[in-house]
Amino acid sequence: AQSVTQPDIHITVSEGASLELRCNYSYGATPYLFWYVQSPGQGLQLLLKYFSGDTLVQGIKGFEAEFKRSQSSFNLRKPSVHWSDAAEYFCAVGAREAGTALIFGKGTTLSVSS
Amino acid sequence: DVKVTQSSRYLVKRTGEKVFLECVQDMDHENMFWYRQDPGLGLRLIYFSYDVKMKEKGDIPEGYSVSREKKERFSLILESASTNQTSMYLCATLARDNPQHFGDGTRLSIL
Repeated sequence: AQSVTQPDIHITVSEGASLELRCNYSYGATPYLFWYVQSPGQGLQLLLKYFSGDTLVQGIKGFEAEFKRSQSSFNLRKPSVHWSDAAEYFCAVGAREAGTALIFGKGTTLSVSS
Repeated sequence: DVKVTQSSRYLVKRTGEKVFLECVQDMDHENMFWYRQDPGLGLRLIYFSYDVKMKEKGDIPEGYSVSREKKERFSLILESASTNQTSMYLCATLARDNPQHFGDGTRLSIL
């Protein structure tokens, strides 16, 4: 079965500390992988994507993610968290074929403490 | 920049009403999607469309229908609204080799 697992429902990080949000996927085809962020009351904004090539991808707002095929993981990282990073983060997997919807994880809520 | 516009940010309706949620995109993308988002459940796919007048059921289509008469517009219809359809509804578009782009969502309350 195709699925995305975000093991952490809620994470609290101190401002300035590093962050890693975990994502594991199960997908039959070659995966396209994404991280989205959602601020309260807003839609989803794309942080970064992996289609192919370099397994370390850079995104917006200082985020990066590393694709590890052997571990079926696509973890999101940021070296120094800012209070404005508090939001809900979604990992998603999809295929290249037209008409294929993304499969989303259930999300991780990030709180930032001062 | 891709723009996906959902007609209402907040909507309150009564049980039994027929409810229309509208989504318009400006990028000529073939694929459009409707999700609902509930706490602890993430995003669940209701319906999607890969072309005008074409539609496919997603994971939770019961109680919903869709319409795509024009490429830029994808409507979600609640045939007879019920309280368990109170949720955040998100529309998205997709072009080949590109990530999905989302609207800001419609928070729908059914009383």
